[in-house]
Amino acid sequence: AQTVTQSQPEMSVQEAETVTLSCTYDTSESDYYLFWYKQPPSRQMILVIRQEAYKQQNATENRFSVNFQKAAKSFSLKISDSQLGDAAMYFCAYRGISNFGNEKLTFGTGTRLTIIP
Amino acid sequence: DAGITQSPRHKVTETGTPVTLRCHQTENHRYMYWYRQDPGHGLRLIHYSYGVKDTDKGEVSDGYSVSRSKTEDFLLTLESATSSQTSVYFCAVCTGFPTYEQYFGPGTRLTVT
Repeated sequence: AQTVTQSQPEMSVQEAETVTLSCTYDTSESDYYLFWYKQPPSRQMILVIRQEAYKQQNATENRFSVNFQKAAKSFSLKISDSQLGDAAMYFCAYRGISNFGNEKLTFGTGTRLTIIP
Repeated sequence: DAGITQSPRHKVTETGTPVTLRCHQTENHRYMYWYRQDPGHGLRLIHYSYGVKDTDKGEVSDGYSVSRSKTEDFLLTLESATSSQTSVYFCAVCTGFPTYEQYFGPGTRLTVT
């Protein structure tokens, strides 16, 4: 079974600075997808970024980028120019490729990010 | 926003009572999911559906059942609620190939007393 580990329960960063959230995963599959989700105090789960394992290029969405290291099974999220609205829980998630329609996500336990004004 | 609503948004119920949570989507996605979120566990899959009347169990399915009679609606039922089922419940849909992105509803906070 796949597992996703987020070893940093809490992180903090000064506003306008850069922060990196860590995620590692364990899988025997060669093709899969990885995601980062943001959960602000409103509780809504918001998709931040997606990475396909077959792509060598790291995904980028505005101030959010990932560092995907397939061999190391590492998938970190970098937030540049941190803003107060970035304060949230961040979840890393893994999705395998299945022929049986089981397209579930496996989540890490989350990292709570605090932005210091 | 993938057009997903959940009802009710909050519910308090007593141990032993049946509870049904509803998820409604407007974009005709084939795949739908129910997760529960608990501190220290992230989100864990309860049940999922890959089409009308096609459902399967997730990793924490004990004590839950689901039904999907229409593409747009996915119901989660707690036949006899227990205190261990106090949680926040999220419904999600999947966009399918090629992005396989999952989008979530706003969640339902359920308290079993």
